[in-house]
Amino acid sequence: DIQMTQSPSTLSASVGDRVTITCRTSQGISTWLAWYQQKPGKGFKLLIYDASSLESGVPSRFSGSGSGTEFTLTINSLQPDDFATYFCQQYNSYSPLAFGGGTKVEIK
Amino acid sequence: QVHLVQSGAEVKKPGASVKISCKASGYTFSKNSILWVRQAPGQRLEWMGWISPGNGNTQYSEKFQGRVTITRDTPASTAYMELSSLKSEDTAMYYCARGRFFYGSGNYYDYWGQGTLVTVSS
Repeated sequence: DIQMTQSPSTLSASVGDRVTITCRTSQGISTWLAWYQQKPGKGFKLLIYDASSLESGVPSRFSGSGSGTEFTLTINSLQPDDFATYFCQQYNSYSPLAFGGGTKVEIK
Repeated sequence: QVHLVQSGAEVKKPGASVKISCKASGYTFSKNSILWVRQAPGQRLEWMGWISPGNGNTQYSEKFQGRVTITRDTPASTAYMELSSLKSEDTAMYYCARGRFFYGSGNYYDYWGQGTLVTVSS
């Protein structure tokens, strides 16, 4: 099975900062990676799919990049609404679905 | 507008079973897979299994194989997840999610239920 390593586990940042979260996989998955945002009591929101495609309705300050085994989620100019926990998910069809451990973005 | 609404919180004793529902609306239920995952306190998200409502095909995580059953009632646009032989370690929030595609394999998830808290305690 593919192992997912997400870093950092917690990140302190200020409004307006640029934030980068990394997700590494134990095997190459091409660009079969999605990013989600989770807020307490509000469930999950799909942000990015296919490593870099922005889901409809998601603000353009969110972007994704990477392929193979290393991926990043970048939030440009962090907004108050962005303080949440972020997860990556691999969906290579040859391996069981797996999620990263999550990154909590906190207010500095 | 797509919505997934899950059934309410459950409290169960060890050894019992729990069945959670996930009612879909706002789209054609048979066209997209439904995933079940859980999030235990301090643990990462775990996928449990998925179903393609259009043909009833399912796939289960090895970790839960033999204990989990995912079914659907297509006319009611509802998916169900039943977990048996509950242990205290099964205390978690359980979520359903809609896959972008028909098959659960190789899929990502664009709409999520609000979660159902299952507490297993004697």
